[in-house]
Amino acid sequence: GAGVSQSPSNKVTEKGKDVELRCDPISGHTALYWYRQSLGQGLEFLIYFQGNSAPDKSGLPSDRFSAERTGGSVSTLTIQRTQQEDSAVYLCASSSQGTPLHFGNGTRLTVT
Amino acid sequence: DAKTTQPPSMDCAEGRAANLPCNHSTISGNEYVYWYRQIHSQGPQYIIHGLKNNETNEMASLIITEDRKSSTLILPHATLRDTAVYYCIVRAPTSGTYKYIFGTGTRLKVLA
Repeated sequence: GAGVSQSPSNKVTEKGKDVELRCDPISGHTALYWYRQSLGQGLEFLIYFQGNSAPDKSGLPSDRFSAERTGGSVSTLTIQRTQQEDSAVYLCASSSQGTPLHFGNGTRLTVT
Repeated sequence: DAKTTQPPSMDCAEGRAANLPCNHSTISGNEYVYWYRQIHSQGPQYIIHGLKNNETNEMASLIITEDRKSSTLILPHATLRDTAVYYCIVRAPTSGTYKYIFGTGTRLKVLA
C-alpha cells in the first residue's frame, strides 16, 4: 500500500504567520510521530500519538507548536506566529505494534 | 532514555564492507537497537534491528556485543547508493508505546 504522505512538500511563509503541516500515515498504523530536522542536524523528537491521544508532548519546542490527530489517522502539526528558527524539515512517521517506523519525505518549512 | 554515540563520519571504498559502530552503554535490558539511514532529501529508511542476538537481512548485518553496550552495522559490499547518514537508535518504552530517540548519526561516504 501507500507509504506515509506529507503535505505540502515545501512551504515558504512570512515570519509571524501560522502554518499547518499534514501527515497521512500508513493505513492501520496506530502510532504517529513528528520529528524536526534542522539543516545538517539529526532528528529532534517533537510529539507522538497513540491513536488520537498524545502521551508524550515533551519535545514540542514552545507553546506555539501544537498537534492533533483525528480518527486515528491524519495528523496536523500547527505552528503559530512562525519564527525564522522554525525553518526546518518536519518529518512524520507511523508504525504499528511490533513494526519499525516508516517515514514520509517531510515538509521543508522556510520562514522568511 | 538510553542515548547512543556514533562517529560523525566515515569513508568506505566501493565494494568493501562498511562497518559502522554505535555505543549505547546505558541501554536497558528490554531496549532494542534499531538502525536507520537517511539519503539526502528523503525520510529515514529502516534497515535492521535487534535485541541481543546478531541479525542479518537483505540489506545489512547487525552485531551486538554480549554486554549490549555497543553494536556494529555491517554493509557487506558497499555501493555508491549506500552513501547516507546512518542512525543508531535505542527504542525507549514510554507510556505503553515506544519513543525513538535519534542521535546525530554517522555520515557514510562510499568512494568509487
